[in-house]
Amino acid sequence: DAKTTQPNSMESNEEEPVHLPCNHSTISGTDYIHWYRQLPSQGPEYVIHGLTSNVNNRMASLAIAEDRKSSTLILHRATLRDAAVYYCVGGSQGNLIFGKGTKLSVKP
Amino acid sequence: DTEVTQTPKHLVMGMTNKKSLKCEQHMGHRAMYWYKQKAKKPPELMFVYSYEKLSINESVPSRFSPECPNSSLLNLHLHALQPEDSALYLCASSQEGTGAANTGELFFGEGSRLTVL
Repeated sequence: DAKTTQPNSMESNEEEPVHLPCNHSTISGTDYIHWYRQLPSQGPEYVIHGLTSNVNNRMASLAIAEDRKSSTLILHRATLRDAAVYYCVGGSQGNLIFGKGTKLSVKP
Repeated sequence: DTEVTQTPKHLVMGMTNKKSLKCEQHMGHRAMYWYKQKAKKPPELMFVYSYEKLSINESVPSRFSPECPNSSLLNLHLHALQPEDSALYLCASSQEGTGAANTGELFFGEGSRLTVL
């Protein structure tokens, strides 16, 4: 079962870091943890994914707990354009199960 | 070209109509997906095609009929829908097919917003 649990909403100030948590205590050992975000009136957009090690890309960083039961998406400097619903996604590729998502608001 | 194109963007249909949603990608991806998204809810997987064969059907009612004519195209045929089927229908593609070994990202289209009267 690839169910994920996230807070419904979070707020951040512009230019500050944001840490978005996700619990996935029932994730299988071979399933990757994916993050997608969805801006208003758009389809979801890939952010990052990882298996066990922490991952960085140009958009964000992903910190994965050693026991893999939780992870944190880190936006290093939030901008107004980062306001979106962020989904923590479990499951094997081709059968991704989206969590309920965290609506991130960014204040100027 | 990193786009997934969906048409139409908006569709209104009656419960007795037959209509189709279309999706196209030219990234050479071999897996294509249909997701359904209700307002303020996460996307829910409906169908997965891998190498043009249906590999996952998440117990979707038969009034939704997917078709993958070739590796670039994915259709969703709609017939005798109910008002509760009104939703945003999202198409996505990825490089490979299903399975834990595939860790590639999904590329989503902007969706087709369907209203059933």
